[in-house]
Amino acid sequence: EAGVAQSPRYKIIEKRQSVAFWCNPISGHATLYWYQQILGQGPKLLIQFQNNGVVDDSQLPKDRFSAERLKGVDSTLKIQPAKLEDSAVYLCASSFTGAKNIQYFGAGTRLSVL
Amino acid sequence: DAKTTQPPSMDCAEGRAANLPCNHSTISGNEYVYWYRQIHSQGPQYIIHGLKNNETNEMASLIITEDRKSSTLILPHATLRDTAVYYCIVRASGNTPLVFGKGTRLSVIA
Repeated sequence: EAGVAQSPRYKIIEKRQSVAFWCNPISGHATLYWYQQILGQGPKLLIQFQNNGVVDDSQLPKDRFSAERLKGVDSTLKIQPAKLEDSAVYLCASSFTGAKNIQYFGAGTRLSVL
Repeated sequence: DAKTTQPPSMDCAEGRAANLPCNHSTISGNEYVYWYRQIHSQGPQYIIHGLKNNETNEMASLIITEDRKSSTLILPHATLRDTAVYYCIVRASGNTPLVFGKGTRLSVIA
């Protein structure tokens, strides 16, 4: 079974530039999550989708971050404009809907903002 | 905020059992204990979860105390590839997101 795919693996940009990350979840997984992991800390949820609808985006800095999952499968996360403090690893995870709900994570995209 | 407390780091000799403790004294009756680990430069990986009974799978065993206020993850024969940060997470079932703390950095030493 293919895992969660993310691209790119690494991205370096200058502050005030824009960047986008892509995630392809495991086939059949209705729930998709984006997490941000700052160096030395555990991942923190940014947004959760159920199919193509947003379940929780309370921790997404909406002035600069946006995310979509138009057809309920792939998802993109965008930052515009980026700040130095956005340097982090951005992780995508997916899961089936249901009680067990084990989340499977991609390898992440490491973003460096200079 | 994370509802669990874990030691920041532990060492374990290769081939020996690694016992990773976790305190979750405010756990609710409908909340499960999940364990994930994160190897360097990879995303977190699911290990095991349980409600109140002890659980075992091909990766590890999970021992939950009778009052459910603490648990221990056991890697029976640690290898160098088990070196990682281990996260203990308390969450209700369903689609609630994972709330990660800082975890325990386990170093397996040859």
